[in-house]
Amino acid sequence: AQSVAQPEDQVNVAEGNPLTVKCTYSVSGNPYLFWYVQYPNRGLQFLLKYITGDNLVKGSYGFEAEFNKSQTSFHLKKPSALVSDSALYFCAVREPISSGSARQLTFGSGTQLTVLP
Amino acid sequence: DVKVTQSSRYLVKRTGEKVFLECVQDMDHENMFWYRQDPGLGLRLIYFSYDVKMKEKGDIPEGYSVSREKKERFSLILESASTNQTSMYLCASRPTGVRNSPLHFGNGTRLTVT
Repeated sequence: AQSVAQPEDQVNVAEGNPLTVKCTYSVSGNPYLFWYVQYPNRGLQFLLKYITGDNLVKGSYGFEAEFNKSQTSFHLKKPSALVSDSALYFCAVREPISSGSARQLTFGSGTQLTVLP
Repeated sequence: DVKVTQSSRYLVKRTGEKVFLECVQDMDHENMFWYRQDPGLGLRLIYFSYDVKMKEKGDIPEGYSVSREKKERFSLILESASTNQTSMYLCASRPTGVRNSPLHFGNGTRLTVT
């Protein structure tokens, strides 16, 4: 069964510093990986995805993520954090060959990012 | 831009009440989903639908049912609400035919069952 882990409930970073939000996954076969962001009192918004190809994926708002197959990780990164990046971030995974509810995304527990001014 | 609208932002219901959560999307998406979001647990899939009148159970369907009579509308029903169903409920949609297209979410309904 597919699963995803976000080992940090909370990440704090100073504005202007680089940020990393960690994600590891477990699937059978090659994964499809996603990052979503949730601002207060809003639904989730799509940031970026990895399906195949280049291990470094660029997404919205200056975010990028690096797929590392050997470490089964898909960490979200940004070179210079903004206070407005403060939000809840979710990693999600899907196996390429599955059926029923397993065809749908499995989400991590979320990481609260706080960027301090 | 895709819009997924959930009819209520906040709901307070009593134990045992029948509760309807409504979701409408305006982009003619075939697939619609209901998740619940709880702190520390992330999002868990309750039910999804890939076509009108079609539904499939997600990971936590117990205590819930759904209805999809029209393509744009997907309703979540709590037949007899219980306090452990107090949660944030998120509706999402996605088109078929666009491989690995992202989910589009509504703003959520925060349900409190007392």
